[in-house]
Amino acid sequence: KNEVEQSPQNLTAQEGEFITINCSYSVGISALHWLQQHPGGGIVSLFMLSSGKKKHGRLIATINIQEKHSSLHITASHPRDSAVYICAVTETSGSRLTFGEGTQLTVNP
Amino acid sequence: NAGVMQNPRHLVRRRGQEARLRCSPMKGHSHVYWYRQLPEEGLKFMVYLQKENIIDESGMPKERFSAEFPKEGPSILRIQQVVRGDSAAYFCASSPFQEHTEAFFGQGTRLTVV
Repeated sequence: KNEVEQSPQNLTAQEGEFITINCSYSVGISALHWLQQHPGGGIVSLFMLSSGKKKHGRLIATINIQEKHSSLHITASHPRDSAVYICAVTETSGSRLTFGEGTQLTVNP
Repeated sequence: NAGVMQNPRHLVRRRGQEARLRCSPMKGHSHVYWYRQLPEEGLKFMVYLQKENIIDESGMPKERFSAEFPKEGPSILRIQQVVRGDSAAYFCASSPFQEHTEAFFGQGTRLTVV
C-alpha cells in the first residue's frame, strides 16, 4: 500500500463543473503539498498545508490532520485546468517528499 | 530571482553512454532533491544533497547512479552506462531549509535511452 493515495486516478469534467480530488496518507507529516503538472511540462506548487484550508483563485485546498486526508477543489473548472494534480507529503521523520500517483484531470469545453 | 534551472531539458543517449543532468537551485537555496518519474508512474525520491554533502541517497539505484552538489556550481546527477529502463523525467527541487518549506521544482530533464 502506498503511503500517499489519491483518488480518482482519472477525472473528466465539463467546463464549469466543481471538481474534487482526494488524498489520503498513512504516515506522520509536517506538511502536505498539492502540485500541478502539465503534459511534458514542469511541476508547479499550488499549495502547501499543515492545517486548515487555503484558497488561491478558483483553487481551494483543505486538510484534516486527524483523519489524514486532504482535498483539492477547483470551482468553475476550465479546459486550461486540464493537468495532472499530485499530492505529496513531507514526513515528520525526514525532509524529502513522498508522492501520490497523481490524478489526470481533463476538462472539456 | 530565477527559479530552479535544469539542463538539458531533453537528453538522448545510446545504451552504454553516460548521462549528466544539471540542476542549479534557486538563489539562496542550499538543499537539493532529485526525483525520478518513470513513464506512467508517480514521482519517486532519489537523493537529497546539501552543499558538498550527500544527506540521504536511499532512493538511488545501487549501481551506475551518483550525485554531487559541489561548493561552486550546479548539482549533477550522473548515470553511467545508461540502459533503456533509465528513460524517465528527472526533476530537481530546491529548498532554503532542510524541510521542503515549499516545493520549488525545475522543469525537469527528459532522458531517452535509445
